[in-house]
Amino acid sequence: NAGVTQTPKFQVLKTGQSMTLQCAQDMNHEYMSWYRQDPGMGLRLIHYSVGAGITDQGEVPNGYNVSRSTTEDFPLRLLSAAPSQTSVYFCASSLRTNAEAFFGQGTRLTVV
Amino acid sequence: KNEVEQSPQNLTAQEGEFITINCSYSVGISALHWLQQHPGGGIVSLFMLSSGKKKHGRLIATINIQEKHSSLHITASHPRDSAVYICAVPGGGSQGNLIFGKGTKLSVKP
Repeated sequence: NAGVTQTPKFQVLKTGQSMTLQCAQDMNHEYMSWYRQDPGMGLRLIHYSVGAGITDQGEVPNGYNVSRSTTEDFPLRLLSAAPSQTSVYFCASSLRTNAEAFFGQGTRLTVV
Repeated sequence: KNEVEQSPQNLTAQEGEFITINCSYSVGISALHWLQQHPGGGIVSLFMLSSGKKKHGRLIATINIQEKHSSLHITASHPRDSAVYICAVPGGGSQGNLIFGKGTKLSVKP
């Protein structure tokens, strides 16, 4: 089992560019989430999914888009990158609510 | 929305010391997570507990549901324990996401 795989690990974007952060898990987990981690703020929820075809917004969804066409994949799209989106992004999955959470290795994104 | 508070924010210890990190939350929960993040690294789950105490090696986690409080203890600390320790609780409903504390940065000196 690879667990949760996130790509890329590092990315530099120019303001206005778009990109997709990939997240895949091979544990057949229904629940998947995207978080961003900023200094002094802890991890904050961007979007989440409770199963294929079902997504919803979290605490900080503006500027991001998600889709969940399969159980395995949960990509995060930045529509038009802004310097405020400079952060470390983590994808996580779990089998159900109140179950152990598994995290990807993170993507360090810099928007210049 | 649940509020999660951790203390201390930063902690420096000498190798071999007993360490305690505290976590409190505002709304009753069914389980609490302790996570570890090494510098520049990913996040790994250490414990998920809903009552009492769990032990894994030199790590011990306790929770008091009535007082809405949990502690993470490290016995005989070692420099390799240097990391950020994060407390997290379920986001509520059937969302499957977590609400996180801001983390405790632990540095263990040899």
